[in-house]
Amino acid sequence: QVTLKESGPALVKPTQTLTLTCAFSGFSLSSSGMRVSWIRQPPGKALEWLARIDWDDDKFYSTSLKTRLTISKDTFKNQVVLTMTNMDPVDTATYYCARTNGGGAFEIWGQGTMVTVSS
Amino acid sequence: SYEVTQPLSVSVALGQTARITCGGNNIENKNVHWYQQKPGQAPLLVIYTDKRRPSGIPERFSGSNSGNTATLTISRAQGGDEADYYCQVWDGTTAYPFGGGTKLTVL
Repeated sequence: QVTLKESGPALVKPTQTLTLTCAFSGFSLSSSGMRVSWIRQPPGKALEWLARIDWDDDKFYSTSLKTRLTISKDTFKNQVVLTMTNMDPVDTATYYCARTNGGGAFEIWGQGTMVTVSS
Repeated sequence: SYEVTQPLSVSVALGQTARITCGGNNIENKNVHWYQQKPGQAPLLVIYTDKRRPSGIPERFSGSNSGNTATLTISRAQGGDEADYYCQVWDGTTAYPFGGGTKLTVL
C-alpha cells in the first residue's frame, strides 16, 4: 500500500524559509519511473503544482516559483523535502505531496499540511 | 503558460448524468487527468490520461478528450459524488496546469 504524509511547521513568519517533508511508504524513489511532486492549495482556491523530483534525481520546478524552491530526496529515509524561501502571506496554503506517474498524473496524495504565513 | 478553464459549478439531479468540461487550446493533444476533492480532504485521482480509471473508481466515472474540450462524465450521480472536481493537463513538459475547479451539486 502506497502512502505519503507531509509534515512541517503550521506557522511561519514572512521572509522566513519553509521546509516541508514528505514521508512515503510502499514504493522506493530509487526505482526507475518513480516520481514525487509537491502541490499546494490556498484556502478556497485551486491547486497549483510546485515541483517534482524523479528516481534519477532530476528536478523540475514551477516557472513562477523556481527561484524560491528547492526539492531533494533521501532515498534511504523514503523522504522528499521541499524548501521555499522568502515566505509571504500569499503562500498560505495546504501543501500536498503526491506520487506522480509517467503520464503526468498525481496518482496518490498525502493528506496535506496547512501552512499559514503571518507575523 | 497553458490555460485550462472549467465551469465554476455544475448541478445534476440524483441518478442523472453530470458532465464537467475542461477547456484548453488543442487539449486533445495533451494528457488530461481528473481529481475529486471533498471538503477537508486531499484530491483523489478519478480519471487519468483522458479516460482511464484507477483501481477502485466506479465505472460511473468516465472521461473523454477531443478538440479543445475534455469531459468528465459521472453517470447515475449520487449524493456522495458532490465535490469539487479539478482537471489537470500534462504534455510531457515540466508544467502541470490545473483548472480552477468545478463544484458539483447533486440535487
